[in-house]
Amino acid sequence: EAGVTQSPTHLIKTRGQQATLRCSPISGHTSVYWYQQALGLGLQFLLWYDEGEERNRGNFPPRFSGRQFPNYSSELNVNALELEDSALYLCASSPRRGRGTGNEKLFFGSGTQLSVL
Amino acid sequence: GQQLNQSPQSMFIQEGEDVSMNCTSSSIFNTWLWYKQDPGEGPVLLIALYKAGELTSNGRLTAQFGITRKDSFLNISASIPSDVGIYFCAGQLFAGNMLTFGGGTRLMVKP
Repeated sequence: EAGVTQSPTHLIKTRGQQATLRCSPISGHTSVYWYQQALGLGLQFLLWYDEGEERNRGNFPPRFSGRQFPNYSSELNVNALELEDSALYLCASSPRRGRGTGNEKLFFGSGTQLSVL
Repeated sequence: GQQLNQSPQSMFIQEGEDVSMNCTSSSIFNTWLWYKQDPGEGPVLLIALYKAGELTSNGRLTAQFGITRKDSFLNISASIPSDVGIYFCAGQLFAGNMLTFGGGTRLMVKP
């Protein structure tokens, strides 16, 4: 069974540009989560999508946005890139949310390393 | 909002030593989890705990769900070089809710 896949693995942009990161969840998973990890530190929650809807959003400015497609894959867009946006962006998926469905078990991709110059 | 405090932030130990790390919260969680992130990879679930007082093992790893529901502990026995990585605790209040992650404990093992 294929795991969570993210593309690209590395992305280099300059300040002010836009970045688009993509994530394909494990087959059958409907929830997708995005996290930012700067300098190998903690996981900062960005966005949670489930069944095409945004369920929760972390404390990030509006230039961080995303969407989830009908096939449950997801895209994270970062507009007007700033130097401090340089980080590893991790996507995770889990089964359908609800009681006792195991959505505590997140499956992470290997991430997209975004470098802003 | 809820916050999880992990300690220590980093550890540098000799191969063969045992390791202990913990995670504390100001409020209760009904599920506690431990994830490990290898260098260059995403985190992987190690152990999930669902009941206060529960003690669960996964090979050389043992985790406990604190009786107060406000803390959890992870022990690694006889560490080996491949134990290197960042260990994250996470709590979930109710099934279906989002996870709250701790800040991580970076483990380095000297051969």
